[in-house]
Amino acid sequence: SQKIEQNSEALNIQEGKTATLTCNYTNYSPAYLQWYRQDPGRGPVFLLLIRENEKEKRKERLKVTFDTTLKQSLFHITASQPADSATYLCALGDNDMRFGAGTRLTVKP
Amino acid sequence: GAVVSQHPSWVICKSGTSVKIECRSLDFQATTMFWYRQFPKQSLMLMATSNEGSKATYEQGVEKDKFLINHASLTLSTLTVTSAHPEDSSFYICSARDLYGDGSQDTQYFGPGTRLTVL
Repeated sequence: SQKIEQNSEALNIQEGKTATLTCNYTNYSPAYLQWYRQDPGRGPVFLLLIRENEKEKRKERLKVTFDTTLKQSLFHITASQPADSATYLCALGDNDMRFGAGTRLTVKP
Repeated sequence: GAVVSQHPSWVICKSGTSVKIECRSLDFQATTMFWYRQFPKQSLMLMATSNEGSKATYEQGVEKDKFLINHASLTLSTLTVTSAHPEDSSFYICSARDLYGDGSQDTQYFGPGTRLTVL
């Protein structure tokens, strides 16, 4: 069966450090992968999309990598800030998107 | 940017009643909208895909007679939870795909969600 696993339920880091979140998948061959941010009681907000033929994509302090051989995506937030604290979701799919359970990131000042 | 709204943002109802949730794309046309359900500390689970002018496509295990979806226009989809029970209490989120916007054509834009509590 298809599975999407995000490395940990929660991740705590110190302000200024780089946060690295992992998304692994099995029994999928997605054309692209997306990362979303979700704050408590709110809908997800789109952050980045990376296609299968792209190795890496950046947006300001965010960087996403996509390794279709390892079936893994890494999501990095550099120079993290307390305002980055949220749950981050990876999502795969073409017509029907499937989400991982998310990693709750807490950046401590 | 693409904005999706939901109404109401929260609702409390008695068991056995029906609740309608609206999802609107405010500044773009969405031929396809999606409905998700999210339980506490769990991921979003796709319930159904709603296509304008046609019947919704439901995911396995989702009762189409209980969760009625109507996508009557390019900017509005509604989800009606019929004969709601306490186990239907959840966070319901819709999303819409902006096929003609800038950025990725495959991006979905999410509404803020509706918190349903059934007593």
